[in-house]
Amino acid sequence: GNSVTQMEGPVTLSEEAFLTINCTYTATGYPSLFWYVQYPGEGLQLLLKATKADDKGSNKGFEATYRKETTSFHLEKGSVQVSDSAVYFCALSELRGGGTSYGKLTFGQGTILTVHP
Amino acid sequence: KAGVTQTPRYLIKTRGQQVTLSCSPISGHRSVSWYQQTPGQGLQFLFEYFSETQRNKGNFPGRFSGRQFSNSRSEMNVSTLELGDSALYLCASSLAFGYEQYFGPGTRLTVT
Repeated sequence: GNSVTQMEGPVTLSEEAFLTINCTYTATGYPSLFWYVQYPGEGLQLLLKATKADDKGSNKGFEATYRKETTSFHLEKGSVQVSDSAVYFCALSELRGGGTSYGKLTFGQGTILTVHP
Repeated sequence: KAGVTQTPRYLIKTRGQQVTLSCSPISGHRSVSWYQQTPGQGLQFLFEYFSETQRNKGNFPGRFSGRQFSNSRSEMNVSTLELGDSALYLCASSLAFGYEQYFGPGTRLTVT
């Protein structure tokens, strides 16, 4: 079955440091890939997505590139802020033939990011 | 446009009881999915509904059930509650089957 593996956390950084959170996946087909963020006491927010190989998703300074050859979708940000402190989840959804994605999301275990001033 | 709303936000139940959680999707969205989030198992898919039909189901016992109404609102029900059912239950809506999902704030269920 499908699975997503994220780097072990938690990750603690100083403000303005460079962030990388690794994510690799196993899928039988051609999944769409996502990064979600969860702030304390809240639900998940879609941060960025990529639907095919070599696509780069980007939002709020975060970027991730869909690498089919390494089955990876690593999240990066050049300069983190205290407000980026949250839990980050990598996820995939199955792709049905014809280009329609299934709704079911398979998540990684989440990475807790703490940014200090 | 209002986001996904879930009610209640917090719930405390006793073992053996049953519970019903409600989810109202974003206006115009017709697909609703449910996920369970626990510290030990992480985020796990429960089921997905589109046009009042269950389209996909996760690996949960039959005590977990759901339904979707004609206005796209959805409910999930857990019968004969167990301590291990304590979790954050998240609902997500999408425009249609297979589109991007937008999550609600969740219902925190505590079983004592």
